[in-house]
Amino acid sequence: QPVLTQPTSLSASPGASARFTCTLRSGINVGTYRIYWYQQKPGSLPRYLLRYKSDSDKQQGSGVPSRFSGSKDASTNAGLLLISGLQSEDEADYYCAIWYSSTSWVFGGGTKLTVL
Amino acid sequence: EVQLVESGGGLVQPGGSLRLSCAASGFTFSSYEMNWVRQAPGKGLEWVSYISSSGSTIYYADSVKGRFTISRDNAKNSLYLQMNSLRAEDTAVYYCARDGGYCSGGSCYSGPFDYWGQGTLVTVSS
Repeated sequence: QPVLTQPTSLSASPGASARFTCTLRSGINVGTYRIYWYQQKPGSLPRYLLRYKSDSDKQQGSGVPSRFSGSKDASTNAGLLLISGLQSEDEADYYCAIWYSSTSWVFGGGTKLTVL
Repeated sequence: EVQLVESGGGLVQPGGSLRLSCAASGFTFSSYEMNWVRQAPGKGLEWVSYISSSGSTIYYADSVKGRFTISRDNAKNSLYLQMNSLRAEDTAVYYCARDGGYCSGGSCYSGPFDYWGQGTLVTVSS
């Protein structure tokens, strides 16, 4: 089982909200980790969006709009990326990442967002 | 302006070697941890290796351990990745990425990858 699991795809309408999940493998407590989120548009470099560990330990990436936010769902052991007011330009792949066991970075497999 | 420029990619036969370079500018290179991240065609991001600012601490993904060697020359503002015993599954775009790092409450933490190079393509094929 991968360390981080993301749904392959997500669809939402313009103006709606999108909720991305990044589920940590059983036995790895989401509460312990800082979850990093990246956006990658087709043909472009990954872009750092935000970091979220808790409401008191979070960071918005430089120039990232406030409609992008992070959260966690302890009940499902998942990190969350929330995008409100979806725009067509938000179509991209979204990756989560954690610094795991203080020795390695782990990325989730990525979720492709389609704005219909 | 922060710039990271990779070079050294190309076509290599299975079992061959390549050395990637990443030239950094626009920031104090010696103060930052650095990483290599790769992305196979049509696939997701995969972390490859990490090196601390001084070069004293190094980590590798299991998939490359024993075959790849990361290094840096702070005097030359450069990061390197020596890749040996290359396999078809190593085919990917290789990015160097700066680790922004941050400190809070007396502790310092790795992440995020705040700047990325444009990438260099490595193709392993006969």
